[in-house]
Amino acid sequence: GAGVSQSPSNKVTEKGKDVELRCDPISGHTALYWYRQRLGQGLEFLIYFQGNSAPDKSGLPSDRFSAERTGESVSTLTIQRTQQEDSAVYLCASSLVPGRDQPQHFGDGTRLSIL
Amino acid sequence: SQQGEEDPQALSIQEGENATMNCSYKTSINNLQWYRQNSGRGLVHLILIRSNEREKHSGRLRVTLDTSKKSSSLLITASRAADTASYFCATDDTDKLIFGTGTRLQVFP
Repeated sequence: GAGVSQSPSNKVTEKGKDVELRCDPISGHTALYWYRQRLGQGLEFLIYFQGNSAPDKSGLPSDRFSAERTGESVSTLTIQRTQQEDSAVYLCASSLVPGRDQPQHFGDGTRLSIL
Repeated sequence: SQQGEEDPQALSIQEGENATMNCSYKTSINNLQWYRQNSGRGLVHLILIRSNEREKHSGRLRVTLDTSKKSSSLLITASRAADTASYFCATDDTDKLIFGTGTRLQVFP
């Protein structure tokens, strides 16, 4: 597709379950970012992948959060033993190359609700 | 952590009026970007202004940057109902972007 694709668009799960969120970046984009957006809030940076370099995990809030990326394609964000405070929209973005002057292209997010 | 803070948090105007949103940030930057987010959607890049630029235009958008005051403004002229959205500024932190808290703009027809 032409844009960043995220799945599922909505996820409702019980507290304590694990969830896996998927992001398909724009083809050819080497940089991929994950953000969390709580209701009515701005974006919190979670993790950043750049090609084959080690990811920047500095934004992950706890060791329950992890993410992987296969080469320069799909990425998955996994949240283990979910808590109610994990309820948020998780947004993925990609850019053609990494860099502070690169516009980021966003998917529409996964809305995660923890019961 | 969030670097930028937008002001006001919410703004309601009539179609045809101009909308001005402000962003303040804390540390030195190389550039600043503005994004729009429609309800339930991802963010869309609007414009990037570099630290050595003072003003930039794109269609009905005008962005200013004052690095001495660590602030930027986004002006939307002749607003339309379709401009209803949240607007975020984002500053650079190495290869990452740090987003502000956003301004929710409502344009009434």
